[in-house]
Formats: sequence, structure tokens, C-alpha cells
Amino acid sequence: GAVVSQHPSRVICKSGTSVKIECRSLDFQATTMFWYRQFPKQSLMLMATSNEGSKATYEQGVEKDKFLINHASLTLSTLTVTSAHPEDSSFYICSARPVDGINYGYTFGSGTRLTVV
Amino acid sequence: GQQLNQSPQSMFIQEGEDVSMNCTSSSIFNTWLWYKQDPGEGPVLLIALYKAGELTSNGRLTAQFGITRKDSFLNISASIPSDVGIYFCAGRPDSGTYKYIFGTGTRLKVLA
Repeated sequence: GAVVSQHPSRVICKSGTSVKIECRSLDFQATTMFWYRQFPKQSLMLMATSNEGSKATYEQGVEKDKFLINHASLTLSTLTVTSAHPEDSSFYICSARPVDGINYGYTFGSGTRLTVV
Repeated sequence: GQQLNQSPQSMFIQEGEDVSMNCTSSSIFNTWLWYKQDPGEGPVLLIALYKAGELTSNGRLTAQFGITRKDSFLNISASIPSDVGIYFCAGRPDSGTYKYIFGTGTRLKVLA
């Protein structure tokens, strides 16, 4: 089955530094990847849609200069949280849409717990 | 961002009981998905629904795509302790987008 690997699973960083999170589709090609943010005991909120070879599309209210997304290949998308602050602490999860998967449920990574101190 | 209304918000049930939860929206969706999320993990897809009225099962789980295309239901029969977790519905709007919108979640706890 489709597997999405997300790395790191946990990261603690100092306020003001940047953190990069990777999302890889291991056994399929993903035209599109999605980045979500989840606060404790809350639902998943879509942050941005990442398309291979083009600029990401950000949801309303998400700062694109704060959350940099790069989708350089059909198997890798990265999310960089720039100049992180404590309020950026959250659970970040990616999901990937297969190249031929218009109607398929998307596979999620296992998430990255970011703590900014 | 937009969210789907999911109910109940949480429920405690005895092992062996059946569970029902639903997801509703004010707008039409053309695909419904049901996911389960364990603590500290990403969601895992349980069932996908693609047509209005569709009824699909996956083991003890059964889900239906509402006729109005504005709701979906998930039933779990004969619950077991490992069913504990958060269940999310996700819908894809009928607007040509590939994006899914997630429900608010139903937290299930099973008492042995």
C-alpha cells in the first residue's frame, strides 16, 4: 500500500530558528501533497497545497513567508517553519495524492511534533 | 478554515456495543473519507465513499454517503478496546478541487 514518510517525528528548536520538515511518498509518485496543522484535541487544518514543480497554494490566513513549501520532485515536499516562535508549536502532518489518484483517499504521514522554546 | 460538523464530539461505550457517528455540511461534497487517528500519529484511512447513497464496509466498519451529498455516517459494530481513538470525516467539495476538509472529530473511548 501507499506509504508516506514524514521526518522528523519530533523536533525542539529555539525561538528564532528555522525548522525543515520532510514529507516523502515511498512507493508512489505524488503530484500533490498537502500540509496540515493540528492543535491538541482539535481537527486538522489545511495550511497549503504543494504541487510538484510549481508554487504552493496557501489557505487564507497562512503566512507563506512563514511557512515555506518546496515540492521539488514527485516524491518529496518540504515545509520550513522560518523564524519559529512558541506559537508555532504544533503537530504538522502531510498527506500525498497519488499521480493517478483523483478519487482516492490520500495517505498521511505520521506527523511532526514541533516544540519551539 | 472551513470544517465539517461531526457528532457526537466524544463518546464512552462498553466493549461489544455498536457505535454511530455522523458528519454534516451545508454544502455538497463529491467524496467522503473516514479516518482514525491514534495519539501522536497521522490519520489512517478507514473507508472512502465516492457516490451519493453508497454504502461501504471494511470489517466491522460501515459508512454511507448521504443521498443529499451533504452528510455521511460511520458505524462500528461490536466495538473492541483497540477502536479507541479519534475518528475524522473528510469531504472533498464539488468544486474541482483536490483538497479535503476535515470534520471536527469524534473521540471514542471503549470501556472493557
